[in-house]
Amino acid sequence: AQSVTQLDSQVPVFEEAPVELRCNYSSSVSVYLFWYVQYPNQGLQLLLKYLSGSTLVESINGFEAEFNKSQTSFHLRKPSVHISDTAEYFCAVSDKGTYKYIFGTGTRLKVLA
Amino acid sequence: GAGVSQSPRYKVAKRGQDVALRCDPISGHVSLFWYQQALGQGPEFLTYFQNEAQLDKSGLPSDRFFAERPEGSVSTLKIQRTQQEDSAVYLCASSPRWQPNEKLFFGSGTQLSVL
Repeated sequence: AQSVTQLDSQVPVFEEAPVELRCNYSSSVSVYLFWYVQYPNQGLQLLLKYLSGSTLVESINGFEAEFNKSQTSFHLRKPSVHISDTAEYFCAVSDKGTYKYIFGTGTRLKVLA
Repeated sequence: GAGVSQSPRYKVAKRGQDVALRCDPISGHVSLFWYQQALGQGPEFLTYFQNEAQLDKSGLPSDRFFAERPEGSVSTLKIQRTQQEDSAVYLCASSPRWQPNEKLFFGSGTQLSVL
């Protein structure tokens, strides 16, 4: 069965520093990959997704993630974080042809002034 | 409203009590999902509806859990004889079409505490 691993439960980082949030999934069968973000007291929101094509996908607020099939990874990066990026980030995967999303346990990003 | 609405926001139940959690998806959304998120964990799939049809209930943890969406819009998740292990945030999500790669729109969840 598909599973998702987010090894870092919390990541503190200073404002304007780069950050990488790691995500690995278990199966190399054709998959769709997602990052969702949950700001305090809000529902999860889609940040970006990989469906096919270019392995590098970007969000409108400066995050990017790269699909690496050989390493079964989909790490999220941002070159310079802002205080407003403080949130919990969830990686999710779904096998192509299914509607069931498997989520990781989340990484809490705390941006420090 | 424009988003997925869930009520109540918080629910405290005594062990053994029945509870009903409501989800109002975005109008016109075909797909509706329920997820359970325990403390410190990611959301775990419970069940999926396409319109009024419940196509997958494989994630429901026991026969005490029941979900319905009788008219293809509002959905209710019912938990009978609640147990302490049922304490979690219950998330509802909807999407406009039935496509495996669809973006999910999540509600803010119902936090259930069973005492």
